[in-house]
Amino acid sequence: GAGVSQSPRYKVAKRGQDVALRCDPISGHVSLFWYQQALGQGPEFLTYFQNEAQLDKSGLPSDRFFAERPEGSVSTLKIQRTQQEDSAVYLCASSLVGFMGDTEAFFGQGTRLTVV
Amino acid sequence: GQNIDQPTEMTATEGAIVQINCTYQTSGFNGLFWYQQHAGEAPTFLSYNVLDGLEEKGRFSSFLSRSKGYSYLLLKELQMKDSASYLCAVRASGYALNFGKGTSLLVTP
Repeated sequence: GAGVSQSPRYKVAKRGQDVALRCDPISGHVSLFWYQQALGQGPEFLTYFQNEAQLDKSGLPSDRFFAERPEGSVSTLKIQRTQQEDSAVYLCASSLVGFMGDTEAFFGQGTRLTVV
Repeated sequence: GQNIDQPTEMTATEGAIVQINCTYQTSGFNGLFWYQQHAGEAPTFLSYNVLDGLEEKGRFSSFLSRSKGYSYLLLKELQMKDSASYLCAVRASGYALNFGKGTSLLVTP
């Protein structure tokens, strides 16, 4: 596709419910990132994939958060037993190559998750 | 840890010039990025600095001093559409960008 696509755009979940957020990166992009952005704050890093390998998951806030990218393209961020503090915008970004020489990452519009 | 500071809010007049500062203290450095984010939209890439000095791109310029841990984004000939949040981000020793909290810029007529 032309850009990074995320779905759904909006998700309302009842506390305790499981949710799955999808990211379609730009075709051919090796690197994929997930970020969490609270209202009025900058994005906070969650996890990083290079192709299908999850190289860094140090930003995942708890073991309720799980991400996968099984075929090296589409990625899913899953949150189990959602809590109110999980309410945020979840941003996905992709970049072309898989090393620190990347000079640009392209972001999707995000999924706004509201836990009630 | 990573510490990236930028002002919370700024206001400027249409047609004017505004400078948004960013200071950082990170364990390692492999590039500083500026992104623009309109409300409810994706951050969009503005600039990248890895060496000291000024990078100019149209109305936008970005400056970096690695020894001072300092950068600024300069916006010239401000337009109303420039009202947005401006995010400073540093790539330290890993792959991820570490973002500041963003500076909300309001351009007034």
